[in-house]
Amino acid sequence: DADVTQTPRNRITKTGKRIMLECSQTKGHDRMYWYRQDPGLGLRLIYYSFDVKDINKGEISDGYSVSRQAQAKFSLSLESAIPNQTALYFCATSKGPSQSTQYFGPGTRLTVL
Amino acid sequence: GENVEQHPSTLSVQEGDSAVIKCTYSDSASNYFPWYKQELGKRPQLIIDIRSNVGEKKDQRIAVTLNKTAKHFSLHITETQPEDSAVYFCAARTTSGTYKYIFGTGTRLKVLA
Repeated sequence: DADVTQTPRNRITKTGKRIMLECSQTKGHDRMYWYRQDPGLGLRLIYYSFDVKDINKGEISDGYSVSRQAQAKFSLSLESAIPNQTALYFCATSKGPSQSTQYFGPGTRLTVL
Repeated sequence: GENVEQHPSTLSVQEGDSAVIKCTYSDSASNYFPWYKQELGKRPQLIIDIRSNVGEKKDQRIAVTLNKTAKHFSLHITETQPEDSAVYFCAARTTSGTYKYIFGTGTRLKVLA
């Protein structure tokens, strides 16, 4: 869905480096999510935000932090990257509690050497 | 905590046959159940969803059934085609506390021509 974008699309970094993944959306949705996808493990929730002042931890938040700079922007940071954070990262958005559909960004493939 | 189990992890069918993927959820407060299709290298895309007040929903060759008592829901694809080959994810949205989506671990469907 072109309304949800992620940058960068691919990133190779080294252990210990700080890295930021960015997500932007033009759908006007209030809710944004960061997921991590690993083979055989599906999509696991890292953090989610229901509005600019609301940030919540998901099931695997350790080693990650987020920032909701505006309703349309939600960034994921790895303060000190480690190899087991190598994965495919997806941002998603949804609108309020009544409209349930999530829309995913194209994903960022992160490799930590 | 909340959990969604998905089976099978891989499924191969002959073109034209039907495919069934099953999911079981743990949180009885879940009220929305989407199914996503993810083609290789692409983002998850919603293909069908069902709410807890409905037992079955159909969209052309795809149908989803929900059994709230047993806490399981299934995806049915009839007259499968090679382009149906992909990874399929189920999810359940919980309403306990906050509205989070819990994903199954995915089913890799191969439709053999």
